[in-house]
Amino acid sequence: ETGVTQSPTHLIKTRGQQVTLRCSSQSGHNTVSWYQQALGQGPQFIFQYYREEENGRGNFPPRFSGLQFPNYSSELNVNALELDDSALYLCASSDGGRGYGYTFGSGTRLTVV
Amino acid sequence: DQQVKQNSPSLSVQEGRISILNCDYTNSMFDYFLWYKKYPAEGPTFLISISSIKDKNEDGRFTVFLNKSAKHLSLHIVPSQPGDSAVYFCAAADNAGNNRKLIWGLGTSLAVNP
Repeated sequence: ETGVTQSPTHLIKTRGQQVTLRCSSQSGHNTVSWYQQALGQGPQFIFQYYREEENGRGNFPPRFSGLQFPNYSSELNVNALELDDSALYLCASSDGGRGYGYTFGSGTRLTVV
Repeated sequence: DQQVKQNSPSLSVQEGRISILNCDYTNSMFDYFLWYKKYPAEGPTFLISISSIKDKNEDGRFTVFLNKSAKHLSLHIVPSQPGDSAVYFCAAADNAGNNRKLIWGLGTSLAVNP
């Protein structure tokens, strides 16, 4: 069984640009969550997708948006990048069951300059 | 307002001794708690969890204790090994509505010295 794969691993963008991060969920998992982890902080919940629908959102502005595809892979899009968006972005997938068995990818390190 | 607090940013322990990592929470509606371990350049890896209806869960060298009245949980690692050196995150499950998300602490960096 494959784990969660995120791409790219590292990215440098200029303030004001747009970025798309990608995540392939673990086989058999239909739920994907995205987290932002700033330096020295714990991960912060951005949003969650279940069967292609957003079913939960954290305290992030609308310029953070996402998609989940029929194969349950997912994208995180961030528009009008700000310097504070520099962080590690983590994707986690689960089977949507009662447990919280999230499998995390290694993350995408985004640097906004 | 940090709902999940790990007040010790770092902990250093000798190999073979016990490591105790602490976590406090403020939201009494949390019903599930998890510990994750994170190595540099890797995503968090699930370690152990506990439901709010229990006060202890054990898995090999790892035991999690939950004190609901004190809103406190702790992770015990016995015996500690150098490979346990990592950042440990405490997370609580917020199951409001159908939106299951994890609320994370800031992490504790554990160093196990040979």
